[in-house]
Amino acid sequence: AQTVTQSQPEMSVQEAETVTLSCTYDTSENNYYLFWYKQPPSRQMILVIRQEAYKQQNATENRFSVNFQKAAKSFSLKISDSQLGDTAMYFCARMRGTSYGKLTFGQGTILTVHP
Amino acid sequence: KAGVTQTPRYLIKTRGQQVTLSCSPISGHRSVSWYQQTPGQGLQFLFEYFSETQRNKGNFPGRFSGRQFSNSRSEMNVSTLELGDSALYLCASSRGQGYGYTFGSGTRLTVV
Repeated sequence: AQTVTQSQPEMSVQEAETVTLSCTYDTSENNYYLFWYKQPPSRQMILVIRQEAYKQQNATENRFSVNFQKAAKSFSLKISDSQLGDTAMYFCARMRGTSYGKLTFGQGTILTVHP
Repeated sequence: KAGVTQTPRYLIKTRGQQVTLSCSPISGHRSVSWYQQTPGQGLQFLFEYFSETQRNKGNFPGRFSGRQFSNSRSEMNVSTLELGDSALYLCASSRGQGYGYTFGSGTRLTVV
């Protein structure tokens, strides 16, 4: 089965510092998309950032950026200037271009930001 | 712009009953996907609908079914409920492959 792996079950960081969450994935296709989602205790899944596999440039959204290493099948999320509101479960997800609507999620990383 | 709306937020059902969950996507989004989230199995894909057609299906028994209406609203039905069906059911909509899916707040189903 093609999987998405997040090797860090839990992470913690001090407010204003930088933290990196890891994700590796498995795919035999060239056409796919990668995403990071955030799920706070309110349980609403929120899209943080997305990356198209055919684009070499790493995606950036304000304080959030990714390090996309296509050959290594690695897709890490860097959060700069961490804020208390960043405390949440973070999920890495992959969508194959040929698999309509199907996101394959990793197991998640619980991130806690300490004041 | 209104987000993805799921109703109801909470449900308690008895084993053997059936349940219908509803999802209203963001206006203009024609693709709707459903997921089951449990502590043990994580997030698992149920199925995806586009223009009233099921285009993709996950590995769930036939007790789980869905449909989509002409206004893109979607329903999910689970028949003959089992205790293991207790989960958070999430609906998500998108305007196209690769744009990312916007999720609703989910329906928490408890089967007793």
